[in-house]
Amino acid sequence: AQSVTQLGSHVSVSEGALVLLRCNYSSSVPPYLFWYVQYPNQGLQLLLKYTTGATLVKGINGFEAEFKKSETSFHLTKPSAHMSDAAEYFCAVSEWNTDKLIFGTGTRLQVFP
Amino acid sequence: DAGITQSPRHKVTETGTPVTLRCHQTENHRYMYWYRQDPGHGLRLIHYSYGVKDTDKGEVSDGYSVSRSKTEDFLLTLESATSSQTSVYFCAISLQGDEQYFGPGTRLTVT
Repeated sequence: AQSVTQLGSHVSVSEGALVLLRCNYSSSVPPYLFWYVQYPNQGLQLLLKYTTGATLVKGINGFEAEFKKSETSFHLTKPSAHMSDAAEYFCAVSEWNTDKLIFGTGTRLQVFP
Repeated sequence: DAGITQSPRHKVTETGTPVTLRCHQTENHRYMYWYRQDPGHGLRLIHYSYGVKDTDKGEVSDGYSVSRSKTEDFLLTLESATSSQTSVYFCAISLQGDEQYFGPGTRLTVT
């Protein structure tokens, strides 16, 4: 069965520092991959997605992620954290041959001034 | 933003009572999903729909039922609410069954 692992349930960075949120997936076929962000008391918002083609994907708010098939990873990065980036981030993978997504358990990002 | 509304947004109910949550979309998307979100578990799929009157179970479907009589509405019913069903419930929609767009959520407390 496919699965998604997000390493680190909490990540803390200083404002202006690099943000790196890790996501590894298990899949026997190339999946579609997604990152979502959830601000307090809100629904999830799509940050970016990888389907096919270029492995470096740019999303909203300056975030990007790179699909590395050899490492089965799809880590999310941002060069310089902003206070407004504080939120919970979810990685998701499309389940093969279905219309469903499998979500990781989330990483809460804190940004300190 | 995708046109998705959920009602009610907050509800407190007693153990053993039936509860129905509504998801309404204005996007004419084919797929609709119900998730629950609990600390440490991320999002878990309860039920989903791939068309009017076409539904299927997710990983945590016990104690829940759904109905979709119109493209725009997807109802989630807790047949007899239990305290373990206290959670935040999210509806999502998808045009092609890949990327999903989420509603604002319903916070349900079962006392």
